[in-house]
Amino acid sequence: DAGVIQSPRHEVTEMGQEVTLRCKPISGHNSLFWYRQTMMRGLELLIYFNNNVPIDDSGMPEDRFSAKMPNASFSTLKIQPSEPRDSAVYFCASTSPERYNEQFFGPGTRLTVL
Amino acid sequence: AQKVTQAQTEISVVEKEDVTLDCVYETRDTTYYLFWYKQPPSGELVFLIRRNSFDEQNEISGRYSWNFQKSTSSFNFTITASQVVDSAVYFCALSEAGGGTALIFGKGTTLSVSS
Repeated sequence: DAGVIQSPRHEVTEMGQEVTLRCKPISGHNSLFWYRQTMMRGLELLIYFNNNVPIDDSGMPEDRFSAKMPNASFSTLKIQPSEPRDSAVYFCASTSPERYNEQFFGPGTRLTVL
Repeated sequence: AQKVTQAQTEISVVEKEDVTLDCVYETRDTTYYLFWYKQPPSGELVFLIRRNSFDEQNEISGRYSWNFQKSTSSFNFTITASQVVDSAVYFCALSEAGGGTALIFGKGTTLSVSS
């Protein structure tokens, strides 16, 4: 079975540009998570969805960040406008109730904002 | 509030040495899950183990073993006879019990195993 798929794997953009990160969870998983990893802050939750509904977005840094999950097989994380401090690795993860919260992570998107 | 502390930032050992990575957690929940993930240099996050709060039995998987002690709120990870391939960042994490809740990660411990 395919794991969690994220695209793009690498993104380099200039400050002020819009960035969209994409995630396809594992088929059958009903919970999807977006995490961000930086040297300073480590791994931190941005937002998560259960059954396509956002449950907790308290980790979203500010209004420049938005996330959607239009269906069970696709989610996006958008940054508009991007800033250099948004440079990080963004991970998407998914799980299902039978997994007792064992989360499967995608390979991550390494974002660099110049 | 939930919190995970990994006090060891970096550990360096020589191959075949045993090494223990410490993890201390804080939570007000009576039921919760504890996890260890491995992040090798390639960057992906690999699940190693999940522990339920009501199960304090230690677990061994090959060269890996985990010691869970609720009395000290610790969930330590030991690698026996370490190998170069064990070099990675190891994260301890905590979540509420039940499916579909976020993981709270520690800052990670970077393990370097030299030959």
